Amino acid sequence: AQSVTQPDIHITVSEGASLELRCNYSYGATPYLFWYVQSPGQGLQLLLKYFSGDTLVQGIKGFEAEFKRSQSSFNLRKPSVHWSDAAEYFCAVGAGGYSTLTFGKGTMLLVSP
Amino acid sequence: GAGVSQTPSNKVTEKGKYVELRCDPISGHTALYWYRQSLGQGPEFLIYFQGTGAADDSGLPNDRFFAVRPEGSVSTLKIQRTERGDSAVYLCASSPSGGVFGTDTQYFGPGTRLTVL
Repeated sequence: AQSVTQPDIHITVSEGASLELRCNYSYGATPYLFWYVQSPGQGLQLLLKYFSGDTLVQGIKGFEAEFKRSQSSFNLRKPSVHWSDAAEYFCAVGAGGYSTLTFGKGTMLLVSP
Repeated sequence: GAGVSQTPSNKVTEKGKYVELRCDPISGHTALYWYRQSLGQGPEFLIYFQGTGAADDSGLPNDRFFAVRPEGSVSTLKIQRTERGDSAVYLCASSPSGGVFGTDTQYFGPGTRLTVL
């Protein structure tokens, strides 16, 4: 069965600084990978997804992620963080014949002034 | 356009009671998913509907949990004899067709926070 590990429970970044959130997955074949963001009281919003092709994926709100098969990783990056980016971020993997997702435990991003 | 909506937003019940949680997907979406998110955890898959039928219910924890989607749109998650361990946020998502990763994105509702006292 597939699994996702997000090693960092909390990360604090200064506004304007760069950001990298880590995600490692376990799956026997080529995975389908997703990053979602969850703000308080809001539903999960898709930031970006990887299915195949170019391993560097661009998403909304200036986010990007890079799929590295050799490291089983799909880290999320942003060059300059804004205070509005403070939220919880979830990495997820989809596999098999259905569209069901397996999520990591999430990383809470705090942005300091 | 309207997104996925869930009602109620909060539900407090007593141990042993029966509850129903409702999900209104985006109009026209044939695929519907239920997930459960416990405190400090990521969402965990419960059940997936394709149209009116449950295509995958492998995530339902036990037979106290049941979900229906009789007309292929609105879905209801039903929990019998609730236990304190059922306390969580229940999330619903819908996608245009499901099963086809290349074109599908799951759109999530805001969730129902269930508290079992």
